[in-house]
Amino acid sequence: DADVTQTPRNRITKTGKRIMLECSQTKGHDRMYWYRQDPGLGLRLIYYSFDVKDINKGEISDGYSVSRQAQAKFSLSLESAIPNQTALYFCATTHGPSTEAFFGQGTRLTVV
Amino acid sequence: AQSVTQLDSQVPVFEEAPVELRCNYSSSVSVYLFWYVQYPNQGLQLLLKYLSGSTLVKGINGFEAEFNKSQTSFHLRKPSVHISDTAEYFCAVIVYGGSQGNLIFGKGTKLSVKP
Repeated sequence: DADVTQTPRNRITKTGKRIMLECSQTKGHDRMYWYRQDPGLGLRLIYYSFDVKDINKGEISDGYSVSRQAQAKFSLSLESAIPNQTALYFCATTHGPSTEAFFGQGTRLTVV
Repeated sequence: AQSVTQLDSQVPVFEEAPVELRCNYSSSVSVYLFWYVQYPNQGLQLLLKYLSGSTLVKGINGFEAEFNKSQTSFHLRKPSVHISDTAEYFCAVIVYGGSQGNLIFGKGTKLSVKP
């Protein structure tokens, strides 16, 4: 089993729909991150969480919300999806600031 | 806020040639630095990292990077590339200390190795 698992792997949804992307990890890491990847823009940080009670906005949090249900689970929600949220989304985890980040395989989201 | 600049969006190179992928960061405080690689249709994996100590860091697949604090740079190098090195490479930084510590990425450099 993968250390960081994202579900779903692919999703097509309509404009205005609510959608949740889920991430779970078996690494035992305290820190979890959500990024979106767009061609030419790299990975941009949406939200990050240093523990269950510590959630912080990243550089592009507008239109997104998150929930850290447990140390191992970090969900990203789009309350009302719009087409420019079409992207590849990655969840990542680290143990503190100095360790390697482990990434999920990504969720390809298309909003039509 | 910290930022990471990768100076080249695409780098074409012939097989067995040397390559350098450039990365500069903007931060006046202490940082940890990373290079990640993304192969097509995959997630990211760590190539190497600089935390402290020797400024020359060696990673997997023959890659190395040099931390230059005065120039705020962390360029990635490989003396002889292979076709299999074709991928996108991301430089990343974490500012440590205090309430900071989020992992910020550059926009990526696509390395294309031609036969």
